[in-house]
Amino acid sequence: EPEVTQTPSHQVTQMGQEVILRCVPISNHLYFYWYRQILGQKVEFLVSFYNNEISEKSEIFDDQFSVERPDGSNFTLKIRSTKLEDSAMYFCASSMGSPCFGPGTRLTVL
Amino acid sequence: AQSVTQLGSHVSVSEGALVLLRCNYSSSVPPYLFWYVQYPNQGLQLLLKYTSAATLVKGINGFEAEFKKSETSFHLTKPSAHMSDAAEYFCAVTSAGSARQLTFGSGTQLTVLP
Repeated sequence: EPEVTQTPSHQVTQMGQEVILRCVPISNHLYFYWYRQILGQKVEFLVSFYNNEISEKSEIFDDQFSVERPDGSNFTLKIRSTKLEDSAMYFCASSMGSPCFGPGTRLTVL
Repeated sequence: AQSVTQLGSHVSVSEGALVLLRCNYSSSVPPYLFWYVQYPNQGLQLLLKYTSAATLVKGINGFEAEFKKSETSFHLTKPSAHMSDAAEYFCAVTSAGSARQLTFGSGTQLTVLP
């Protein structure tokens, strides 16, 4: 059964550094998303992406964040100048109907 | 605006007992509703979804949920708990016709006692 994959599974970075989280969505899906879950808190929507552009974004998704689909298979989330409060599990999802989630990338900002 | 409330952050049941996880939603438009399960150190797996067809929805692993518009509820049930059901369960809502942005509840941690 096809699944969403994410790399790396765990990323440790220093505050102020840039990180890129990578996702390979399910191949025939058209909608792509990033969500995050800060430890002990709700899963929060960050951004949705369709037809090579952002279709919705939350208040969390400010200028520090960007998304890109650089080729036909990858979907990336870039976080510029990371802050301690960016430490969280970041989930990629893709859908034609119900979103299918990847296993997540745990980002730790030191 | 949409929101989801999951009553009970922790629920414990005995193996073989009924599982009932509560979810109430608020939505100004007809909702689509979802239950996801998260096992330790894993992603979110879709259990079931309601998208305005049958109000009683059957999902994987013997779970089902009933959409009750009058009560704005979408509670998750399973007749007989198994040890492998121990996980965190999330209810989520989106609007029909939206870009499928999900709003999640805070989750319920299910513990199954032997």
